[in-house]
Amino acid sequence: AQSVTQPDIHITVSEGASLELRCNYSYGATPYLFWYVQSPGQGLQLLLKYFSGDTLVQGIKGFEAEFKRSQSSFNLRKPSVHWSDAAEYFCAVAGSGGYQKVTFGTGTKLQVIP
Amino acid sequence: EAGVAQSPRYKIIEKRQSVAFWCNPISGHATLYWYQQILGQGPKLLIQFQNNGVVDDSQLPKDRFSAERLKGVDSTLKIQPAKLEDSAVYLCASSLGRGFFGGYTFGSGTRLTVV
Repeated sequence: AQSVTQPDIHITVSEGASLELRCNYSYGATPYLFWYVQSPGQGLQLLLKYFSGDTLVQGIKGFEAEFKRSQSSFNLRKPSVHWSDAAEYFCAVAGSGGYQKVTFGTGTKLQVIP
Repeated sequence: EAGVAQSPRYKIIEKRQSVAFWCNPISGHATLYWYQQILGQGPKLLIQFQNNGVVDDSQLPKDRFSAERLKGVDSTLKIQPAKLEDSAVYLCASSLGRGFFGGYTFGSGTRLTVV
């Protein structure tokens, strides 16, 4: 069965600092990978996704993620964090083909301090 | 385009009562999903519809939860009777076609509190 681990429950960074959120997945073949962001009281918004090809994926709001098969990781990065980035971030994995469902991690809550 | 609409936004009920949630997906989106998000956890898929047929309901507690998607458009999720552990945010999402290649579009959710 597929699974996602987000080892950091809560991260605090200063505004303007760089950010990296960790995500490790478990899946027997090449997975489909996603990062979503959830602001308080809101639904989830897709930041970026990886299906195949270039392992460095660019997303919205200045985020990027890198797929590393050897490490089973799909870490999310941003070079300079803004106060508006404070939210909860979810990594998700899905198997390829058919009606494979998407499995979410438990999330990382990002706090941005001035 | 209009987003995924859900109602109500909040609901408080007593245990053993029943409750229903409504979702209207983005026009033309054939696939509709209901997720349960318990505080501190990631969303968990409850049921997935392709048009008006069920594709996956393996994690739906069928003794108390039911869902339908008549006419392949909007959907309702019902809990009867509710338990304390059902307190969560219930998220509806939709996507084009049979997969999720464009990513899901989520609604804002319904926050259920069972007391």
